[in-house]
Amino acid sequence: AQSVTQLGSHVSVSEGALVLLRCNYSSSVPPYLFWYVQYPNQGLQLLLKYTSAATLVKGINGFEAEFKKSETSFHLTKPSAHMSDAAEYFCAVSASSASKIIFGSGTRLSIRP
Amino acid sequence: EPEVTQTPSHQVTQMGQEVILRCVPISNHLYFYWYRQILGQKVEFLVSFYNNEISEKSEIFDDQFSVERPDGSNFTLKIRSTKLEDSAMYFCASRGGLAGDGETQYFGPGTRLLVL
Repeated sequence: AQSVTQLGSHVSVSEGALVLLRCNYSSSVPPYLFWYVQYPNQGLQLLLKYTSAATLVKGINGFEAEFKKSETSFHLTKPSAHMSDAAEYFCAVSASSASKIIFGSGTRLSIRP
Repeated sequence: EPEVTQTPSHQVTQMGQEVILRCVPISNHLYFYWYRQILGQKVEFLVSFYNNEISEKSEIFDDQFSVERPDGSNFTLKIRSTKLEDSAMYFCASRGGLAGDGETQYFGPGTRLLVL
């Protein structure tokens, strides 16, 4: 069975500050890990994915995430937040590329001017 | 850039009515999915579809639900007799099936269903 836990349902940072969104996963097999972003009234957009290649994954809009097997974590970071980063962020896991995706409960990111 | 499209964007229906949600996956994609997101809750998997048959379904996907690929482009989700608790945003996704980018599920913008 697989699951993800996102720590913090709401994170607020100042514009220009570091963004850190936490995600821990549980998986009985080597996982595929994803971060999706959902802007208000829009669908889910893939930010980045980990599929057993490099442990540091770079995505769109300056985001990156690091797979740490020892900590079962896949935290999302961005060095400098922009106002346009305000959205809901979902960490997700699947057992393989063919499998269903299991989503976390989401973290709402707010950016303070 | 190719994208998954869904119609309608919003649908309001009466309890007990049938609804059909439509999706046009990315051309040449082989794997199709439906997910839903009840307001304020996490996105949940409903069903996956490949080679004209269901490959996996969740406990949510009971006999009230069905999926179909009626032609070469559309992928539909039918709810036979809607319940209040079916109110949610329904997302369609498709995946190419080949290595690399073919492993990524691309999501549509969703259909917001409201059952009254």
